[in-house]
Amino acid sequence: QTVVTQEPSFSVSPGGTVTLTCGLSSGSVSTSYHPSWYQQTPGQAPRTLIYSTNTRRPGVPDRFSGAILGNKAALTITGAQADDECDYYCVLYLGSGIWVFGGGTKLTVL
Amino acid sequence: EVQLVESGGGLVQPGGSLRLSCAASGFTFSTYWMHWVRQAPGKGLVWVSHINGDGSSTNYADSVKGRFTISRDNARNTLYLQMNSLRAEDTAVYYCATIWSGYYALGYWGQGTLVTVSS
Repeated sequence: QTVVTQEPSFSVSPGGTVTLTCGLSSGSVSTSYHPSWYQQTPGQAPRTLIYSTNTRRPGVPDRFSGAILGNKAALTITGAQADDECDYYCVLYLGSGIWVFGGGTKLTVL
Repeated sequence: EVQLVESGGGLVQPGGSLRLSCAASGFTFSTYWMHWVRQAPGKGLVWVSHINGDGSSTNYADSVKGRFTISRDNARNTLYLQMNSLRAEDTAVYYCATIWSGYYALGYWGQGTLVTVSS
């Protein structure tokens, strides 16, 4: 069974830069997995940030960016703000109509 | 404006059934693939199921395959999730979501409906 891995938690200082990653239990993440990223604050529905590896959804600030770094997908937040403190999830498309979420990363801004 | 409104959640006993609905508006529903995603209390998001635009193709996570059925009524702009043989581990908030048009990503999300499986 394919497992999508994310750091359980991460911390960044206000104004700082943080890179969250999204990997596979076996193998490398490439653009063929169409990685996407979602943001969720407690008690709220998720919000789509990035699709197709690095395309920001309209309205998403440009301090959020996506890429493939090494063998993982990555979400970078540049100039972190207090309201960036929430959970971030990646999703990979495995093909044949199957998507898998990573376990999520809880980001703390302090 | 795209709106997705889930309904049908509630308390059900183990082994029971429930049907969730997701009423869509603000977009051409029949042209969008749709998803169900769930989130157990305090846990992460889990993809559950997907259906294509005309309902001819469906896919499921292994954890629900054979128990859950996704369907849609394009005339009513409504997505469904029929859940049978429910287990305690199916307790979660269930979200419906659109595909992000033309891409293998989720786009617009509903606010979710809570399903609790307990005796």
